[in-house]
Amino acid sequence: GNSVTQMEGPVTLSEEAFLTINCTYTATGYPSLFWYVQYPGEGLQLLLKATKADDKGSNKGFEATYRKETTSFHLEKGSVQVSDSAVYFCALSPLGVGNEKLTFGTGTRLTIIP
Amino acid sequence: KAGVTQTPRYLIKTRGQQVTLSCSPISGHRSVSWYQQTPGQGLQFLFEYFSETQRNKGNFPGRFSGRQFSNSRSEMNVSTLELGDSALYLCASTLGPIQETQYFGPGTRLLVL
Repeated sequence: GNSVTQMEGPVTLSEEAFLTINCTYTATGYPSLFWYVQYPGEGLQLLLKATKADDKGSNKGFEATYRKETTSFHLEKGSVQVSDSAVYFCALSPLGVGNEKLTFGTGTRLTIIP
Repeated sequence: KAGVTQTPRYLIKTRGQQVTLSCSPISGHRSVSWYQQTPGQGLQFLFEYFSETQRNKGNFPGRFSGRQFSNSRSEMNVSTLELGDSALYLCASTLGPIQETQYFGPGTRLLVL
């Protein structure tokens, strides 16, 4: 079946540090890949997505590249801010159809200290 | 455009009771999915509705059910509540059956005592 393996947290970084959160997946076919972010007390917000191999999703300074050869979709940001503190979820949608169920990773809690 | 809304936001019930949660999708969206989020199991898919029909179902017992109305609003029901049903229940909507981005509501936090 489909699965997403995400970097264990929590992750604590200083402001302006470089961020990488690893995500690898197992899926049949060619899934779409997503990063969602959850701020305290809120639901999930889509951060970025990629729908095919070598696509790069980007938003708010975050980037992730769909690597089919390594089945990975690592999240990166060059300079994190305190406001980036949240829980980050990697997810996949099989066959690129978003209405099929999303399979999520376990989430990575990120804390940025000033 | 208003986002996905869920009511109530917080709920406390006791074991054996039943509960109904409501989700109103973004205007014009016709598909609604439900997810359960717990610290132990993470985010798990419950079911998905499109045009009042259940299209997909996750691996949950029959105590969990849902429905969708003609205006695309959706409800989910949990009967005979168990302590393990305590969770954040998230609803997400998409425009149609072949749309890639799901938009999530703030969730309903259910506590079963």
